[in-house]
Amino acid sequence: GAGVSQSPRYKVAKRGQDVALRCDPISGHVSLFWYQQALGQGPEFLTYFQNEAQLDKSGLPSDRFFAERPEGSVSTLKIQRTQQEDSAVYLCASSLDIYGYTFGSGTRLTVV
Amino acid sequence: DQQVKQNSPSLSVQEGRISILNCDYTNSMFDYFLWYKKYPAEGPTFLISISSIKDKNEDGRFTVFLNKSAKHLSLHIVPSQPGDSAVYFCAAGTSGSRLTFGEGTQLTVNP
Repeated sequence: GAGVSQSPRYKVAKRGQDVALRCDPISGHVSLFWYQQALGQGPEFLTYFQNEAQLDKSGLPSDRFFAERPEGSVSTLKIQRTQQEDSAVYLCASSLDIYGYTFGSGTRLTVV
Repeated sequence: DQQVKQNSPSLSVQEGRISILNCDYTNSMFDYFLWYKKYPAEGPTFLISISSIKDKNEDGRFTVFLNKSAKHLSLHIVPSQPGDSAVYFCAAGTSGSRLTFGEGTQLTVNP
């Protein structure tokens, strides 16, 4: 597609529930990033893939967070046993190089 | 440890005037800098970038200035238009491609 597509746009989860967030990057983009944006804050880095290789996962806040990109295209961010502090917008971005990522519209996760 | 800071949470200007958004950083290893614009319910959209070897980059109404000695960059929008009203994020990175974002500045351009 023409842009980065994320689904679902909105997700409400009960505390303790597992969630999976999907990102379809721009076709041909080698690099894929996940960011977490809390209300009133800037995006914060979670993890980075180059093709199917996860090169940096230092931003993942806990071992409840897991990301994969098994075929070097679509990526899934999974959060196990969700907590209220996980409520945020999760942004995916893809790029060909270090300049000018293209971001998706994000998934707004609300944990109740 | 906030490595990229935007100290003004909001800015209001009149249409046709200049908007100046500021950003400070602490990590001297950052070698490229970007500005993103964000509308509600949308992801950030890339606006303009600058590498550390330059001190100015211009694209139409948008100009980014970088002062490495002061670890400061700014985005100038001139003339400002009502459609420029959005949240603007400053971001910085190194060759490893991970970006660190500021908290954002809400720009409102009044007709």
